Amino acid sequence: AQSVSQHNHHVILSEAASLELGCNYSYGGTVNLFWYVQYPGQHLQLLLKYFSGDPLVKGIKGFEAEFIKSKFSFNLRKPSVQWSDTAEYFCAVNAPTSGTYKYIFGTGTRLKVLA
Amino acid sequence: EAGVVQSPRYKIIEKKQPVAFWCNPISGHNTLYWYLQNLGQGPELLIRYENEEAVDDSQLPKDRFSAERLKGVDSTLKIQPAELGDSAVYLCASSLVGGGPGEQFFGPGTRLTVL
Repeated sequence: AQSVSQHNHHVILSEAASLELGCNYSYGGTVNLFWYVQYPGQHLQLLLKYFSGDPLVKGIKGFEAEFIKSKFSFNLRKPSVQWSDTAEYFCAVNAPTSGTYKYIFGTGTRLKVLA
Repeated sequence: EAGVVQSPRYKIIEKKQPVAFWCNPISGHNTLYWYLQNLGQGPELLIRYENEEAVDDSQLPKDRFSAERLKGVDSTLKIQPAELGDSAVYLCASSLVGGGPGEQFFGPGTRLTVL
């Protein structure tokens, strides 16, 4: 069965530190990849997405992610985090399954940035 | 543009009681999703609608859960009877084009507590 793994469940960083959150998926075919973010008290919102083309995609608020097909990975990065990046981050994969598409989310990574 | 609206935001009930959640998607979005999110987990799809049709309800526990989207706009998710294990956040999302790679827009969710 398809799955999405986020190995870092909790991450604590100081402001200005660099961030990398891991995301691996299990599906051998074409996939569409997403990172969603949920700030405290707010709803899930899209951070960035990859459909095709340049495997390095840039999203909002200085985030970027790199699709490495050979590693089945779509890691999220930010060179310098801010206190306002404190949130929960979810990786999601949209892959064709039985004639339709299935959206599968990872378990999330809770990021806390210390001021 | 108004986002996805859900009500109620919070609901506390005793086990064996019925409960219903309501969702109004973004105007013009044909696809509507209901997700279940347990604490520390990512959203898990319960049901997906394309207009009025439930095109993927494979993860919906049909013995106690039901959903409807009668006019292809608003949707209601019902649980009857509720069990302790149903305590979770119920998310509604919508997208322009379903069954494909598109971005989903999420509502704030309904946090259900079953006592």
